[in-house]
Amino acid sequence: QVQLQQWGEGLLKPSETLSLTCAVYGGSFSAYYWNWIRQAPGKGLEWIGEINHSGSTNYNPSLKSRVTISVDTSKNQVSLRLTSVTAADTAVYYCARGYHFYFDSWGQGILATVSS
Amino acid sequence: QSVLTQPPSVSGAPGQRVTISCTGSISNIGTGYDVHWYQQFPGTAPKLLIYGNNNRPSGVPDRFSGSKSGTSASLAISGLQTEDEADYYCLSYDSSLRGVLFGGGTKLTVL
Repeated sequence: QVQLQQWGEGLLKPSETLSLTCAVYGGSFSAYYWNWIRQAPGKGLEWIGEINHSGSTNYNPSLKSRVTISVDTSKNQVSLRLTSVTAADTAVYYCARGYHFYFDSWGQGILATVSS
Repeated sequence: QSVLTQPPSVSGAPGQRVTISCTGSISNIGTGYDVHWYQQFPGTAPKLLIYGNNNRPSGVPDRFSGSKSGTSASLAISGLQTEDEADYYCLSYDSSLRGVLFGGGTKLTVL
């Protein structure tokens, strides 16, 4: 049974960089794409991007200029960096396992708040 | 712009059947990409409810079913129960986005 555990800074100031990490426990790491998804308070879900074990990435065009997703296969971890954050980036950020363009396992989510 | 459109809210009485629609376009559902559905309770991560248009993961009751036709898909919930009250999201791949796209979400109220 796969488990995804997330951690990272939860409070940021405008213009800072959001950094989150997701560790994968159990299951195959190399067989899937690893995704980041966010949900602003009271809003819907937004796909941020994905990465596979070899480092191949795809990003949502609306965030592409500010997002970097990386992978550490030695630790079965994926990381998200979002630069130049504003209040509009305040959201719960989830990592999720991707398989055939859907997500079958999710992390617990981390609330990242951007406030001056 | 690529969009999956869902009704903001639906409601039904216990025991009734409700459907939630997800309308896309030729760059996503209409091209033949699969539609998947999620259930989300407040403060929790979404849970996979239907994958590949009409398949239920282990543990999901058969009261939940999915269908797809043309550029739209639907989630049906029969025998409504109070514990079904949640937000529901559809998901599909979009060739213009070159990534996946969520619907805006539908809040189900069980009266």
